[in-house]
Amino acid sequence: SQQGEEDPQALSIQEGENATMNCSYKTSINNLQWYRQNSGRGLVHLILIRSNEREKHSGRLRVTLDTSKKSSSLLITASRAADTASYFCATDATGANSKLTFGKGITLSVRP
Amino acid sequence: DAGVTQSPTHLIKTRGQQVTLRCSPISGHKSVSWYQQVLGQGPQFIFQYYEKEERGRGNFPDRFSARQFPNYSSELNVNALLLGDSALYLCASSLVTGESETQYFGPGTRLLVL
Repeated sequence: SQQGEEDPQALSIQEGENATMNCSYKTSINNLQWYRQNSGRGLVHLILIRSNEREKHSGRLRVTLDTSKKSSSLLITASRAADTASYFCATDATGANSKLTFGKGITLSVRP
Repeated sequence: DAGVTQSPTHLIKTRGQQVTLRCSPISGHKSVSWYQQVLGQGPQFIFQYYEKEERGRGNFPDRFSARQFPNYSSELNVNALLLGDSALYLCASSLVTGESETQYFGPGTRLLVL
């Protein structure tokens, strides 16, 4: 079963704009991770945020986590055409011992 | 350093056949996990191995089995293939199992069952 639910399912923006993607989950977690996937290839790890963290930055990426609302958001600033990909949130549920549960993903298209 | 490697990259099988997929983790990583990703969906957890022992199993039938070798590489076996087994099979490695371990994924093996 899929715990994470990303929103929106698809997003199309112009190069240079910011992209915001949201993820909601159902159970308590140890951490939440965001991954990128290009054209059905392997997953690239973007960022991990622990349950006791509220915000984390990595380059053009900003992730927030609200455990009271069981939600997270991924912000990509100053998007580039190369950011076009599918993005997944994955939760490591408490007691799951690093088993990740993924959502269905968000398809991001960045128009040049 | 090399990332997670998987072989083969693509595979075509017919219903009822058996398949073995292989994964080599990042050097120093002792935990390997397998995921199945059907087209249009997110990956689904199949197995996790750590120090050659099974540490977790997802909701998959007994046709799916795996093992981990002393060098921490791993194989995923699927018997009596069904059309619905067509998917991208992803292997992920991490240093250990436990809280807040980043998992690094390989490029996947794309299996097509005809």
